[in-house]
Amino acid sequence: AQKVTQAQTEISVVEKEDVTLDCVYETRDTTYYLFWYKQPPSGELVFLIRRNSFDEQNEISGRYSWNFQKSTSSFNFTITASQVVDSAVYFCALSGITGGGNKLTFGTGTQLKVEL
Amino acid sequence: DTGVSQNPRHKITKRGQNVTFRCDPISEHNRLYWYRQTLGQGPEFLTYFQNEAQLEKSRLLSDRFSAERPKGSFSTLEIQRTEQGDSAMYLCASSSTWVNEQFFGPGTRLTVL
Repeated sequence: AQKVTQAQTEISVVEKEDVTLDCVYETRDTTYYLFWYKQPPSGELVFLIRRNSFDEQNEISGRYSWNFQKSTSSFNFTITASQVVDSAVYFCALSGITGGGNKLTFGTGTQLKVEL
Repeated sequence: DTGVSQNPRHKITKRGQNVTFRCDPISEHNRLYWYRQTLGQGPEFLTYFQNEAQLEKSRLLSDRFSAERPKGSFSTLEIQRTEQGDSAMYLCASSSTWVNEQFFGPGTRLTVL
């Protein structure tokens, strides 16, 4: 069974602060994919990033960066210089290849509030 | 707009009624997924199609739920004899075989009175 844990229920920061969202996952698949999605108040889930289990290189994309560590089963997501528009619920998700289809298993989400 | 679309956006119904939701995926995507999201939770997988074939169903999908994807294009999700516990946001997503990320529609919010 797959499981994603986002221990942070809610985080509040002041604009321009950096913020890191934590994600820990469990899977028996040797090949899997990790994702971060953003759900603003409008409700639509927006795809942010994907990482393959066989590629642990961490990257930066604009104000977003992520830290994938297989040894600790963690896939943390950092927003640099946060902005009010970043306020949303952020979901970490996992998909494996067992059974095909790449269905997503989501965490419970972290509510990020960015204040002026 | 070439994203995933869902109709209706909101549905209020009385307990015991049947409801049907529609999802139109991104046109070149052959995989289509349905998820359910309740307040304060992440989306939970319900079922998925590859082209017109329904290849997997979650245990969450009771026999009151049925999904179809005729001709491998749009999909419908029907709930028969709705219960108050069915109140949730129903999300549709699509992806291609070659790209793993799923793109979500705006969802249909169901309220069962």
